[in-house]
Amino acid sequence: SQTIHQWPATLVQPVGSPLSLECTVEGTSNPNLYWYRQAAGRGLQLLFYSVGIGQISSEVPQNLSASRPQDRQFILSSKKLLLSDSGFYLCAWSPFNAYGYTFGSGTRLTVV
Amino acid sequence: SQELEQSPQSLIVQEGKNLTINCTSSKTLYGLYWYKQKYGEGLIFLMMLQKGGEEKSHEKITAKLDEKKQQSSLHITASQPSHAGIYLCGADGGYNNNDMRFGAGTRLTVKP
Repeated sequence: SQTIHQWPATLVQPVGSPLSLECTVEGTSNPNLYWYRQAAGRGLQLLFYSVGIGQISSEVPQNLSASRPQDRQFILSSKKLLLSDSGFYLCAWSPFNAYGYTFGSGTRLTVV
Repeated sequence: SQELEQSPQSLIVQEGKNLTINCTSSKTLYGLYWYKQKYGEGLIFLMMLQKGGEEKSHEKITAKLDEKKQQSSLHITASQPSHAGIYLCGADGGYNNNDMRFGAGTRLTVKP
């Protein structure tokens, strides 16, 4: 069966520090991968999605970047965190040729 | 992009009462998903609707997609405190559109 792992669950980082959130999927190949952020009043906001290794589509220009170094690994990064980067980040995957999304358990990031 | 409007934004009901949450799209929905989220946790998949007029039920929760595939409703019968949380509708952009959009969510509180 397929599983998705996201870590860490919680993170407190100072302003200006770097960020790296990791998401991995098991039990499937060539998944579509997504990073979402939960913004107050806007529900979930799509940040990045990837349909393959090295392929990243950005939805919102901001202080964050994403990378997909391996087929089932998706990383969300920042070189210098801002206070406004605080929030709840969710990773998700979907099959490349079918419907259906599965979400990770999320990371609560607090920038102080 | 597919914009989704959810209503109401928040809902407080007495235990045992029925309730309905609505999700309206500006475009035809290829896939409509309902999720539940407890604060700070990942999303729990409830149901997915694809066909116009489709209706699915799970325990005391029923979701419907209208014939025009632009509106969905989530109905909870005889609500319980365990139903409390945030309900999110998500819309698939279509088979070749690799992302999903979400409504802002409905916060449900069930008073015992």
